[in-house]
Amino acid sequence: DTAVSQTPKYLVTQMGNDKSIKCEQNLGHDTMYWYKQDSKKFLKIMFSYNNKELIINETVPNRFSPKSPDKAHLNLHINSLELGDSAVYFCASSHGVGAKNIQYFGAGTRLSVL
Amino acid sequence: AQSVTQPDIHITVSEGASLELRCNYSYGATPYLFWYVQSPGQGLQLLLKYFSGDTLVQGIKGFEAEFKRSQSSFNLRKPSVHWSDAAEYFCAVTYSSASKIIFGSGTRLSIRP
Repeated sequence: DTAVSQTPKYLVTQMGNDKSIKCEQNLGHDTMYWYKQDSKKFLKIMFSYNNKELIINETVPNRFSPKSPDKAHLNLHINSLELGDSAVYFCASSHGVGAKNIQYFGAGTRLSVL
Repeated sequence: AQSVTQPDIHITVSEGASLELRCNYSYGATPYLFWYVQSPGQGLQLLLKYFSGDTLVQGIKGFEAEFKRSQSSFNLRKPSVHWSDAAEYFCAVTYSSASKIIFGSGTRLSIRP
């Protein structure tokens, strides 16, 4: 069974559309994350939730809205998609929020905005 | 700002040769260091980590890394690479005072047959 699963794996859409990416983890973790990996492979955190509460909210356009219905799920909704949103988005999870916590990553969602 | 530097964007080594990937982190009181590997089309997988104690740590797939505080480095090594090691490698750091992990820009490893 996949520990951290994201859907869809690929997403191709037009500028201005609204889309969602779903993430689920079956590891029993209480903390989940969204990362954006740009074309140069640079990985940057966007959001983090602990027990369904937002704990990290980096400088991200408010077109991006995370939602955590329960500890096992963290979805990412993006409004009014722009060309610059094209990237690979990774979901991750960990047990707790401390600096030593190991993060487990999903396989990524490749978003292409045309 | 705290940062991680991986000076080598792309490295090519011959199969069976030794490997060293470099990583430097910005000063922090108590760094916790990680190496992750990303195979094509996959998410990141933890190779090894250093929190404290023995500065030479062993990881999965035959990798090891050495923490050198005086050089602010955490270089990844493998004595003999296999074609399946071709991937992107990321060094990362957290600090005891923070919960956010900071990733380097990655080093792409290619293997020459």
